[in-house]
Amino acid sequence: GAGVSQSPSNKVTEKGKDVELRCDPISGHTALYWYRQSLGQGLEFLIYFQGNSAPDKSGLPSDRFSAERTGGSVSTLTIQRTQQEDSAVYLCASSFQDRNTGELFFGEGSRLTVL
Amino acid sequence: AQSVTQLGSHVSVSEGALVLLRCNYSSSVPPYLFWYVQYPNQGLQLLLKYTTGATLVKGINGFEAEFKKSETSFHLTKPSAHMSDAAEYFCAVTPTGFQKLVFGTGTRLLVSP
Repeated sequence: GAGVSQSPSNKVTEKGKDVELRCDPISGHTALYWYRQSLGQGLEFLIYFQGNSAPDKSGLPSDRFSAERTGGSVSTLTIQRTQQEDSAVYLCASSFQDRNTGELFFGEGSRLTVL
Repeated sequence: AQSVTQLGSHVSVSEGALVLLRCNYSSSVPPYLFWYVQYPNQGLQLLLKYTTGATLVKGINGFEAEFKKSETSFHLTKPSAHMSDAAEYFCAVTPTGFQKLVFGTGTRLLVSP
C-alpha cells in the first residue's frame, strides 16, 4: 500500500483479555518498529525488526508483550492478560534498512483502551 | 546509549511570533537527528533531518534546525508561527540509520491568534 496501515484503529477491551494489533508496512521496507505513545510519556520504543536479523526486543515492558513479523512483511503485536496501564496508542513504523537515512514512516496507530 | 531531552512539554506563542523548540541529545557517536510532527488525530511525519553535511537543515512548512555539536543541540525554529503549526513535535536520535530511533517526550506547540 501507499503508507503504513494499522488495525484496528481503536480497540476497547476488558482487563485480563488478550489483544492483537496488526501492522502492514510500506511495500519494500525491510525494517519495522513498534512504539507506544502514552499521554505525557512521548514515544516509547518497544521492538524493532530489521531484515532477517534477530529482533531487538529490548523495549518490551514485560513478558505479556510479544511481536512477530511473518514473511518479512506484516507484523502482529500481542498483549496478553491486558492491564489498565497498557492503555495507549501503539504506533508502527517502517523504513528502508539499506538506505541509511533513519527516516521512519508511521502509521496512524492503534488506540488501546483497557477497562 | 542515545537519549534526547526536549525542554518544555508545552510552548505557547502568538501567531507571527518566533517558534523555538529545544532539543538536546546524548550520543557516543556522531548522531543522526530528526524532528517529527504529529498534527491532531494524525500519525507522525518527518519534518526535517540531519545526517551529515550542512549543519543547518531546512524542513517542510518553513521550519529549520541547526546541529550544534559543541552544545549537543538540535533546536527547531520557525521565524513566524502560523495557526496551522499547532501540533506536537518530537525530536529523535539514532547513532546511524540502522538502529532504533530514540524519541524525546515531545513538545506541544500552542499558537494563539
